[in-house]
Amino acid sequence: KAGVTQTPRYLIKTRGQQVTLSCSPISGHRSVSWYQQTPGQGLQFLFEYFSETQRNKGNFPGRFSGRQFSNSRSEMNVSTLELGDSALYLCASSLAARAREQYFGPGTRLTVT
Amino acid sequence: QKEVEQNSGPLSVPEGAIASLNCTYSDRGSQSFFWYRQYSGKSPELIMFIYSNGDKEDGRFTAQLNKASQYVSLLIRDSQPSDSATYLCAVNMGAQKLVFGQGTRLTINP
Repeated sequence: KAGVTQTPRYLIKTRGQQVTLSCSPISGHRSVSWYQQTPGQGLQFLFEYFSETQRNKGNFPGRFSGRQFSNSRSEMNVSTLELGDSALYLCASSLAARAREQYFGPGTRLTVT
Repeated sequence: QKEVEQNSGPLSVPEGAIASLNCTYSDRGSQSFFWYRQYSGKSPELIMFIYSNGDKEDGRFTAQLNKASQYVSLLIRDSQPSDSATYLCAVNMGAQKLVFGQGTRLTINP
């Protein structure tokens, strides 16, 4: 069974631009969560989607948004990029909204210059 | 107080010995606990999960949970150089929100 896939793997953007990241969960998994990983803050929860609905949200500004499609694929958007948004963005999938084991994709490395 | 705390290390262990990684958490109502392994430049990989008090063994790995003490640990027996990585403790604090510790960097010395 294929794992979680994320595209693109690497991205370089300029301050003020916006970016969209994509995540395809493991086949059959319906819940997708997004995390930001930085050396200083570690892994931080952004939001979680199940059945095209956001179920939970972390403490990030409104510039960070997401959505989920009917096939469970998810996208995350960051608008008005700041230098501090440079990070590894990780997507994790799990079987259902209340399933507890999450499996991570390879991540998208975003660099903002 | 951080929600999930781990010693950042580095923790250095000789090959063949037992590596012991520890984690404490603040939310007494937490029910699910996970250990992830992350190699440098890679994403976290789920290696163990535990939901009930006591020990859970899987191959060379043993997870231990003590909810009364709000403490979870990971033991790695017969440590191998390939076990050298950062180990992340994660606690499920409601819905699908996983709260991660900062990670413990483990080095296995041949």
